[in-house]
Amino acid sequence: KNEVEQSPQNLTAQEGEFITINCSYSVGISALHWLQQHPGGGIVSLFMLSSGKKKHGRLIATINIQEKHSSLHITASHPRDSAVYICAVRDNNDMRFGAGTRLTVKP
Amino acid sequence: DSGVTQTPKHLITATGQRVTLRCSPRSGDLSVYWYQQSLDQGLQFLIQYYNGEERAKGNILERFSAQQFPDLHSELNLSSLELGDSALYFCASSPRTSANTGELFFGEGSRLTVL
Repeated sequence: KNEVEQSPQNLTAQEGEFITINCSYSVGISALHWLQQHPGGGIVSLFMLSSGKKKHGRLIATINIQEKHSSLHITASHPRDSAVYICAVRDNNDMRFGAGTRLTVKP
Repeated sequence: DSGVTQTPKHLITATGQRVTLRCSPRSGDLSVYWYQQSLDQGLQFLIQYYNGEERAKGNILERFSAQQFPDLHSELNLSSLELGDSALYFCASSPRTSANTGELFFGEGSRLTVL
């Protein structure tokens, strides 16, 4: 069983829809990252969380340490949000990655 | 632009060869991380350096080695290359060594193809 599980694996949405991507992990962590990878391959770190909730523009990330679960929400989705979203957890200085969620937002 | 520079962007080589990938971190960042992203295994953490010293090791093969130089740039050396080493290799830098507080900034990656 993968230590970091993401769902769904693939997600197709219409422009404007509210999107949720989930991440569950089974190890103790010091921080959780949400990463965005566009088709060109580059990776951007969207959020780093150790508790609670963070918001950047239309993106919101939450984490529940007790339940070992995090969610990434995108409000008013747009085609430019189409990318692979990767959850990564840090345990001391090690880092484990989920398999990613491929999001396609159609106009 | 993350401020992290990786070279080369693309590299094609043959099995058995050796290559060196280079990473220049953001100005002032002391930590450098290396990651491998392959089609079958996804993203994997390889190794971390902090201010010139190895700080953490992940799934790095013995054929691979890395170092961080006094000017804080880092190099990842891959030797005796195999077809399965074909992957995207990412470098990331962070202002701190602590896993609790270190935001990560990724380079654009080096795509290695082993033929």
